[in-house]
Amino acid sequence: AQSVTQPDIHITVSEGASLELRCNYSYGATPYLFWYVQSPGQGLQLLLKYFSGDTLVQGIKGFEAEFKRSQSSFNLRKPSVHWSDAAEYFCAVVLNYGGSQGNLIFGKGTKLSVKP
Amino acid sequence: DAMVIQNPRYQVTQFGKPVTLSCSQTLNHNVMYWYQQKSSQAPKLLFHYYDKDFNNEADTPDNFQSRRPNTSFCFLDIRSPGLGDAAMYLCATSSRRDQPQHFGDGTRLSIL
Repeated sequence: AQSVTQPDIHITVSEGASLELRCNYSYGATPYLFWYVQSPGQGLQLLLKYFSGDTLVQGIKGFEAEFKRSQSSFNLRKPSVHWSDAAEYFCAVVLNYGGSQGNLIFGKGTKLSVKP
Repeated sequence: DAMVIQNPRYQVTQFGKPVTLSCSQTLNHNVMYWYQQKSSQAPKLLFHYYDKDFNNEADTPDNFQSRRPNTSFCFLDIRSPGLGDAAMYLCATSSRRDQPQHFGDGTRLSIL
């Protein structure tokens, strides 16, 4: 089935530690790829996007993501987590074909907690 | 700053009493979206407008309607809210359907 998978529902890391949030998609062609962050009670903020080109994408707040076509993955990374990074992170794709063309399709999200 | 503004941030209504949520944008984007987000879930697309063209998702309940009187404003009308409609409602915009979406801060709807 076509889907966006974020295998980790909840991750806890210590402040200053590195972070990697996983995202896999299962679509026939490479969709457009996004990471959004949502703080409690807030809307979603775009962290970064991948359309084509360089597979390592830099985003805001020190985040980066790497697109790996062979693994159908678009994992989000940050070398040193800050307490303010505690939030929910959503991986999302936009399909450019088919019945859902143009719809933003979300993974179920990964909640990040940061330990002092 | 150009942005997406949702009003009110919190809305309480009674079971069965119609309610309207509003969204405005200063980005001059062609596309406006409404999402429903329940606790600990991803946003679920209800419908979107591409300019004045309205597109309803197949599984959006008939209870939900939308209006877009001009480029800047979009409204979500819930005709007879049920307890299951309590959620965060998010408005978003984009210049084109395949471009990044810009979200408002949402309206949290409670049903008494």
